[in-house]
Amino acid sequence: SQQGEEDPQALSIQEGENATMNCSYKTSINNLQWYRQNSGRGLVHLILIRSNEREKHSGRLRVTLDTSKKSSSLLITASRAADTASYFCATDPGFQKLVFGTGTRLLVSP
Amino acid sequence: DVKVTQSSRYLVKRTGEKVFLECVQDMDHENMFWYRQDPGLGLRLIYFSYDVKMKEKGDIPEGYSVSREKKERFSLILESASTNQTSMYLCASSFTLGTYNSPLHFGNGTRLTVT
Repeated sequence: SQQGEEDPQALSIQEGENATMNCSYKTSINNLQWYRQNSGRGLVHLILIRSNEREKHSGRLRVTLDTSKKSSSLLITASRAADTASYFCATDPGFQKLVFGTGTRLLVSP
Repeated sequence: DVKVTQSSRYLVKRTGEKVFLECVQDMDHENMFWYRQDPGLGLRLIYFSYDVKMKEKGDIPEGYSVSREKKERFSLILESASTNQTSMYLCASSFTLGTYNSPLHFGNGTRLTVT
C-alpha cells in the first residue's frame, strides 16, 4: 500500500538555487523520514522528523511536517551538482514497516 | 559505519530457476528487510524479519520466501523466477531500542533480470 506521494515527480534547477520537494501521506504516523538515492545505488537516510515535531534542520536540509494536512516538505538550500539524485519520503506508522513514496528526481545543473 | 552488503550487483536468471539473493549486515541489527524497486512504483516491502528465524510478510510476498538462520544474514528466495520479478532488490537493516526504531541502512541493491 503506497502511502507517501512525492511532488513534483521531477525537478530541474541550477546550482545555488533552492529545491523543495513535497510529500503527502494518508494515515497517522510515528515519524516521517527522507532518503536519497544516487543513480543505481541504495538509499541513504537523510533526516527523520517525529510526529510531534514541526520543523527540523540538518546542514543544508530543512524538513517540515504538518500532521493536520498529512504532508511534509524537504528543502535543500544552495543546491550543488552533487545533490542530483532521487529523494524519497517514507512514513513509519509505528511498526517499522516503512512505506515509501515514488520519489522526486532532482537534477542540479552546474 | 553500518555496512549492508548484497552479494551481487547484477544477476541474470532464466524463467523457472530458483534464485537466492543474499544480504549481510555487520552492525548486529535485529531488523532486516527486503524491498523491490520498480519505476513509478517506488519501493515495496516484500518480507522483513525482527529476529533470527522470524519472518513477516510485507506488502508483496507472493512468489518469494526468506530465510534468516543467523542474525547478520537475510536471504530472499525466488522459488521459481518469472519475468515479472525482474527488478531492483534492496536489502536494509535497522535496530530497535525500546520504542525507538532507527532509520534503515540500505545495501547497494541487486538488479535482477529474469529472461
